Amino acid sequence: SAVISQKPSRDICQRGTSLTIQCQVDSQVTMMFWYRQQPGQSLTLIATANQGSEATYESGFVIDKFPISRPNLTFSTLTVSNMSPEDSSIYLCSVDDRGRGYTFGSGTRLTVV
Amino acid sequence: GQNIDQPTEMTATEGAIVQINCTYQTSGFNGLFWYQQHAGEAPTFLSYNVLDGLEEKGRFSSFLSRSKGYSYLLLKELQMKDSASYLCAVMDSNYQLIWGAGTKLIIKP
Repeated sequence: SAVISQKPSRDICQRGTSLTIQCQVDSQVTMMFWYRQQPGQSLTLIATANQGSEATYESGFVIDKFPISRPNLTFSTLTVSNMSPEDSSIYLCSVDDRGRGYTFGSGTRLTVV
Repeated sequence: GQNIDQPTEMTATEGAIVQINCTYQTSGFNGLFWYQQHAGEAPTFLSYNVLDGLEEKGRFSSFLSRSKGYSYLLLKELQMKDSASYLCAVMDSNYQLIWGAGTKLIIKP
C-alpha cells in the first residue's frame, strides 16, 4: 500500500503566523485529501488537491486561510495561515490507495498559542 | 443532510467479542469503510463493504445491510492493543467520504 511521509509531526506556533505542512507519497496519485481532526471529533475534509489545478475546498474552508500546493503527483502542501488558537488541531493528508482503502499520513499536531 | 451514527464509547473485556454498530443516512452509497485510530496516530484501514453481507478478515469482521443503512464491526478475541477509536465512513454518490465521530473502545483485562 501507499506510504505517506507527513511533516512536521507536531508544532507549537504563535498566533498570527503561518505553518506549512508537507506530504510526500511513495507513488503517483491523482487526488490528495487534506483533513482536520479536532480532539474527540470526526475527520473534517478541508480540500481535495489535484495536480495541475486549483484545490477544491469544502464549505467553511477558503483558499486564503488554507492555501494548498500540488506541484506533482507525489507531493502536496497545506498552509494554515494567520493562525489563531481555534486552528489548534490535527491535520492529516490522505490518498485513495487504489482499492486498498484510503491511506493517511501520520498527522501534524498543531497547537497555536 | 448526511449523517453517520456510532456509539461514542464502548467497554469490553480482553478475550471477549465486541460489536460496534454504525447507521448512516447519506445521499447515495458507494461503500462503507471501517478505520482504526489509536490515540495520537493516523487512522488505518480495516475494511470496505459495498455489497450486503459479512466480510471476514482474521479477528475482525464487517457486516453491511444497505437496505437498513447499517453496518457493524465485529472484533473477536479482544487484545489490549485493540483499545482504540473505530471510525465508520460512507462514500456518497459524489464519491466523498462522510465520517462518523468514532467509537472509543476500551479493553479491560
